Amino acid sequence: GESVGLHLPTLSVQEGDNSIINCAYSNSASDYFIWYKQESGKGPQFIIDIRSNMDKRQGQRVTVLLNKTVKHLSLQIAATQPGDSAVYFCAEGAGNNRKLIWGLGTSLAVNP
Amino acid sequence: EAGVAQSPRYKIIEKRQSVAFWCNPISGHATLYWYQQILGQGPKLLIQFQNNGVVDDSQLPKDRFSAERLKGVDSTLKIQPAKLEDSAVYLCASSFRNGGTAGANVLTFGAGSRLTVL
Repeated sequence: GESVGLHLPTLSVQEGDNSIINCAYSNSASDYFIWYKQESGKGPQFIIDIRSNMDKRQGQRVTVLLNKTVKHLSLQIAATQPGDSAVYFCAEGAGNNRKLIWGLGTSLAVNP
Repeated sequence: EAGVAQSPRYKIIEKRQSVAFWCNPISGHATLYWYQQILGQGPKLLIQFQNNGVVDDSQLPKDRFSAERLKGVDSTLKIQPAKLEDSAVYLCASSFRNGGTAGANVLTFGAGSRLTVL
């Protein structure tokens, strides 16, 4: 039979270029945001987080930008490498039990 | 430190059969989560434990799914009877932070258990 699946947004970049992955979030009361990377056959892996009182945070080769005015979050990856190929999820956290709300995910493909 | 351990990695069953998944979280992590991830989608929270108590099971299909964390460490997720739509990866995660504490609640995930229901 035929299978129908959800098609993830896909970003295709050349090795060495910078990548920008975007995420729109829903809850203006969220007080932190997390980016996860999920490689094929593995669980999501923490990349970086940012508190709602910040608008930028940098890690190793990654930068997260937060624009609370338009409820938008982005992950910038510098000098993208083949090992960066994965699905990237943003998640927002709020509430006393710190429950995470997950975005749909973006598939990043790095071309050699 | 050792990561989150899950077993089995793969399981194929027929519909109406039962299956159980096991998770051993990171030592010292009070909070344990079971997520269901259907291909191409983000993880969906099934149940959240804090120590051995349930914090959130609002999206757990309780007519067929059950989970326990008897001693506040290991956890088991069971499906009985399985349906075709249960085919997914079942992810276990744990975190150090308890509910209400400040700061980001960073989850560490296991590799997942892939279930195929035929």
